[in-house]
Amino acid sequence: NAGVTQTPKFQVLKTGQSMTLQCAQDMNHEYMSWYRQDPGMGLRLIHYSVGAGITDQGEVPNGYNVSRSTTEDFPLRLLSAAPSQTSVYFCASSWAHEQFFGPGTRLTVL
Amino acid sequence: GNSVTQMEGPVTLSEEAFLTINCTYTATGYPSLFWYVQYPGEGLQLLLKATKADDKGSNKGFEATYRKETTSFHLEKGSVQVSDSAVYFCALSGYSGYALNFGKGTSLLVTP
Repeated sequence: NAGVTQTPKFQVLKTGQSMTLQCAQDMNHEYMSWYRQDPGMGLRLIHYSVGAGITDQGEVPNGYNVSRSTTEDFPLRLLSAAPSQTSVYFCASSWAHEQFFGPGTRLTVL
Repeated sequence: GNSVTQMEGPVTLSEEAFLTINCTYTATGYPSLFWYVQYPGEGLQLLLKATKADDKGSNKGFEATYRKETTSFHLEKGSVQVSDSAVYFCALSGYSGYALNFGKGTSLLVTP
């Protein structure tokens, strides 16, 4: 049982590049979410999904897209990376109001 | 909207000292409340939770009581250890009852 996995662990992009952060969970949780963590800001919700085929925006959705084609996977896409998107990104799945977090992806945009 | 305010750090304590990290919240309805801990270089782990007023969550010597009258969920531990050094986040259930609203985090450093 791997829990929540994220890839890659580290990534450096140039401004304007696109990429996808991968997230997968093997706990059969319906609910998944993406957060970004910035110094002094705590974690802020980017997008979330209550099940396959259903997604919604969180607090800071601009510049990010998500899709949920399966229960297991919830990728986060950066369409045109900007330096303001330099952050640590956490994916989480949820059951009974408890969130299970992945190890994070540290993204730097130059 | 929902929000969480927690005391700013860093907090530096000597081993075996008493710990309090204050957390207050603003929310509609009756949210569940959580404390998460993040050790260096790792993701967040659930430390404890409380789902209704007057509930006390506890784990690993840490405790927090859901106080609806003061909208608070303060984290306490009677005797901290060096291994408790981490960042602590207070959170409440927000979006659709599942995703969380987090405080900004409080860094704790415990020295021998």
